[in-house]
Amino acid sequence: GAGVSQSPSNKVTEKGKDVELRCDPISGHTALYWYRQSLGQGLEFLIYFQGNSAPDKSGLPSDRFSAERTGGSVSTLTIQRTQQEDSAVYLCASSLEWGGRIYNEQFFGPGTRLTVL
Amino acid sequence: QKEVEQDPGPLSVPEGAIVSLNCTYSNSAFQYFMWYRQYSRKGPELLMYTYSSGNKEDGRFTAQVDKSSKYISLFIRDSQPSDSATYLCAPRWTGRRALTFGSGTRLQVQP
Repeated sequence: GAGVSQSPSNKVTEKGKDVELRCDPISGHTALYWYRQSLGQGLEFLIYFQGNSAPDKSGLPSDRFSAERTGGSVSTLTIQRTQQEDSAVYLCASSLEWGGRIYNEQFFGPGTRLTVL
Repeated sequence: QKEVEQDPGPLSVPEGAIVSLNCTYSNSAFQYFMWYRQYSRKGPELLMYTYSSGNKEDGRFTAQVDKSSKYISLFIRDSQPSDSATYLCAPRWTGRRALTFGSGTRLQVQP
């Protein structure tokens, strides 16, 4: 079956521009995560969506970052007024969250490589 | 200090060697301990997970957790060139679904 897909795979933008990154989770997965992977910081959590609950935004680095998840499926991560330090690979993951399991595996997409010039 | 510390490597070993990859962590609330493998230009994929302290074996891979010393290990036996990748430890605590990743150790297995 299809895994997590992300688009675009690469994005080059100029400093100050807004960008939108898209994530299509595995069908039926109720939870969706965004992470950022950069050379200096490793892989960092950004935001988590679970069903109709309020998202966990505790990892967003600034108010220039926002995300939404429409219809419990596709998610868009938006970065406004991009800065050079936003250059990183943005990874999306999804999981099937349900009670009774000790751990619900997160499946990762291939990522979007963002370069801010 | 980061919550999870991991030697970035690179670690280069000959084919057939036993590899030991390690992480230390500071948050005593961590209960779930995952190891992810990431090939170049790909997303991470779950390799193994353990709950609380103890060992878990899966084929050539053994994951070990020592909560008393806050130390996580992954052992790879009979390493193969196809094991060449970055290995990320990722603990998690019960109250939070998101993973806290180590910086990853890059492993190169030489044929």
